[in-house]
Amino acid sequence: DGGITQSPKYLFRKEGQNVTLSCEQNLNHDAMYWYRQDPGQGLRLIYYSQIVNDFQKGDIAEGYSVSREKKESFPLTVTSAQKNPTAFYLCASSIGRSDQETQYFGPGTRLLVL
Amino acid sequence: GNSVTQMEGPVTLSEEAFLTINCTYTATGYPSLFWYVQYPGEGLQLLLKATKADDKGSNKGFEATYRKETTSFHLEKGSVQVSDSAVYFCALRFSGGSNYKLTFGKGTLLTVNP
Repeated sequence: DGGITQSPKYLFRKEGQNVTLSCEQNLNHDAMYWYRQDPGQGLRLIYYSQIVNDFQKGDIAEGYSVSREKKESFPLTVTSAQKNPTAFYLCASSIGRSDQETQYFGPGTRLLVL
Repeated sequence: GNSVTQMEGPVTLSEEAFLTINCTYTATGYPSLFWYVQYPGEGLQLLLKATKADDKGSNKGFEATYRKETTSFHLEKGSVQVSDSAVYFCALRFSGGSNYKLTFGKGTLLTVNP
């Protein structure tokens, strides 16, 4: 059963703590993306990766970091430098880079600050 | 830059009513256009897409036509059901440079009452 999995579903962060959100896909997709969703603001792109060992900043990369060591995995770390991390985080993937290709989304991780 | 503007919600309808959610875009060139749906607590699912002018995307009774002359991609359904209650996002994807991100509207919450 192919798809995108994100874990955990809920994550709690203490002040000054780094936390890592997992994203795994078994769709054999080259490109992967991280979006942040805030109420009333739609989705905004944090980072994206078009191929293993390469990634690019999106519109709101400050306070976040990523790695792409394997094709199927694209973890996102929310660092202590991100001052307002409470949001719903969505991971997506697509076959490649064409503007016609569909991005498929995971179920999301909700991050809350204690 | 590219942008998407959706009608503001929330939209509340009775079952079997006609639905229209307006979406207009601003982009350099001719992007691909998408409608995504998000059910409560879940990630986004692709509802339909259109990749060139005058294309009509359709799925599950929903339709949208890519209108280049009015830069619009309005979502319609002839008879909504309670199960259609969700947030609907209009998005565009344009391969400007090396960034293949989706640009989203802010979303429109639809509630369908029995």
